Amino acid sequence: SQTIHQWPATLVQPVGSPLSLECTVEGTSNPNLYWYRQAAGRGLQLLFYSVGIGQISSEVPQNLSASRPQDRQFILSSKKLLLSDSGFYLCAWSVGGYEQYFGPGTRLTVT
Amino acid sequence: AQRVTQPEKLLSVFKGAPVELKCNYSYSGSPELFWYVQYSRQRLQLLLRHISRESIKGFTADLNKGETSFHLKKPFAQEEDSAMYYCALTAGSYQLTFGKGTKLSVIP
Repeated sequence: SQTIHQWPATLVQPVGSPLSLECTVEGTSNPNLYWYRQAAGRGLQLLFYSVGIGQISSEVPQNLSASRPQDRQFILSSKKLLLSDSGFYLCAWSVGGYEQYFGPGTRLTVT
Repeated sequence: AQRVTQPEKLLSVFKGAPVELKCNYSYSGSPELFWYVQYSRQRLQLLLRHISRESIKGFTADLNKGETSFHLKKPFAQEEDSAMYYCALTAGSYQLTFGKGTKLSVIP
């Protein structure tokens, strides 16, 4: 069966420090991969999606970037974190149809 | 561009009472609509999709193209239904557009 992992589960980082959040999917090939940010009262905001290795689409201008070095690995990064980057980050995958499967999320606090 | 509106941030109902979570969308074509649910300390997961016309955990949702709505309904609320509910739309691409969510609280 398919599973999706995200780590770390929680992270506290100072302003100006770099960021790397990792997401991996098991049990499927060539999935579509997504990064969302979930904020209270603001719902889920799609940040990036990828339909294949090295193919990244960005939905909103921001301080973050994404990469897909392997078929089932999706990384969210920043060179210098801002306070406004704090939030709950979700990774998701889909294959074929439109149903998306979500990971457990990472709670990022920038101090 | 597509948009999903969930007008209620919080909805409180008593156990056994009917529940209706509202969702309206704007899209000029034929969208596919979903309801996702997030229970406390659990992952966001698909509850139902309009194309399958299923009833999941007693919930149903009918797509009303005239009113551009996809309201989620359950005749008798249970305490375990307390959760965050998100309505979502896809317009034929890989992307889902989510509403801001409604927190359902079922009072015992």
